[in-house]
Amino acid sequence: SYVLTQPPSVSVAPGKTARITCGGNNIGSKSVHWYQQKPGQAPVLVIYYDSDRPSGIPERFSGSNSGNTATLTISRVEAGDEADYYCQVWDSSSDHPGVVFGGGTKLTVL
Amino acid sequence: QVQLVQSGAEVKKPGASVKVSCKASGYTFTSYDINWVRQATGQGLEWMGWMNPNSGNTGYAQKFQGRVTMTRNTSISTAYMELSSLRSEDTAVYYCARRETGYSDNWGQGTLVTVSS
Repeated sequence: SYVLTQPPSVSVAPGKTARITCGGNNIGSKSVHWYQQKPGQAPVLVIYYDSDRPSGIPERFSGSNSGNTATLTISRVEAGDEADYYCQVWDSSSDHPGVVFGGGTKLTVL
Repeated sequence: QVQLVQSGAEVKKPGASVKVSCKASGYTFTSYDINWVRQATGQGLEWMGWMNPNSGNTGYAQKFQGRVTMTRNTSISTAYMELSSLRSEDTAVYYCARRETGYSDNWGQGTLVTVSS
């Protein structure tokens, strides 16, 4: 089955740029979606189709996807961005197609 | 606005079954699939399967095949996820989510299911 690999943690100072990666075999050929999850809350979609932002998501959130790595970039990081972030794809390549999530990355704002 | 409201927390004994409901509002229930995702405490998101409320068609993750059943009642815009033969490892928060093409754009608040003897 398809595997998505994320770093367990990323730390960044306020005002700086955070980059969270999501690795997968030829992930550039898939559509990648990103979710933010704060403690005790349900996930919230922050990026879909690699780089599109849902309404209400700040422009500081952006995404890219190429080769074997997709990246979620958060510019001008704020304390309120501290959360877990998950990448997700739809894997249609196996005998059992379905949703695949990365293991998640905890973003810490220093 | 789109809302998915789930049923309340459950405590079950090992071997029992649990049925979680997810009531949709703010959109046409039969126009979007529903995903079910679970999350054990301190762990990541785990996809369980999807259901098409219009046709009733389902697709389950291999891990849950034979133990999970996803159904719906279109007259009350409600989706259900039933998990049987519960074990302690099934203790988790269970989420329903509206499925757009490839991603989930709206999520329920989650339902905690605790499996304990």
